[in-house]
Amino acid sequence: AQSVTQLGSHVSVSEGALVLLRCNYSSSVPPYLFWYVQYPNQGLQLLLKYTTGATLVKGINGFEAEFKKSETSFHLTKPSAHMSDAAEYFCAVSASGGYQKVTFGTGTKLQVIP
Amino acid sequence: DVKVTQSSRYLVKRTGEKVFLECVQDMDHENMFWYRQDPGLGLRLIYFSYDVKMKEKGDIPEGYSVSREKKERFSLILESASTNQTSMYLCASSTGQGNQPQHFGDGTRLSIL
Repeated sequence: AQSVTQLGSHVSVSEGALVLLRCNYSSSVPPYLFWYVQYPNQGLQLLLKYTTGATLVKGINGFEAEFKKSETSFHLTKPSAHMSDAAEYFCAVSASGGYQKVTFGTGTKLQVIP
Repeated sequence: DVKVTQSSRYLVKRTGEKVFLECVQDMDHENMFWYRQDPGLGLRLIYFSYDVKMKEKGDIPEGYSVSREKKERFSLILESASTNQTSMYLCASSTGQGNQPQHFGDGTRLSIL
């Protein structure tokens, strides 16, 4: 079985500051890892995903995440926060290969302070 | 752009009613999913489907059923609504057999009184 833990249900950063949202996973098999974003009153959008290959994954809106197997982590970063980044972010995991269920974390709400 | 459309943004029903939530996607995606989202619990998978007339139980299927008669439409059915089914329901779709959800609808906030 797979699971993810998102550290911090709320994170606040100043506009222009580094964004770091933490995610640790548990998986008995090689995982696929995902980050999704949910803006207020909207559904989720896929930000980025790691399947195989390069461990540093770049996504939309300047976000990136690094798969670190030794630390079982997949933290999401962005060098400079923008007001429009304020949203809820979900980390998710599945077993590798097709037809695998995706398990979501409980989410981290990002507040950007002007 | 891919669009996943859920028929209602807000819905209020009474306990014991049979409730239908409809979801339509316009990009010929093979995979469709139903999740419920509750504060502090994240998203939990109710049912998913990788093909027409095909369905698989997710993590919390009890009290729900689904129907996929056409590729573009995936319906969630609450057989006899109960107050603990008050929640936000999200439909999603994706292309490529077995792929994770890529595109989500805006959700239906369902209240059961």
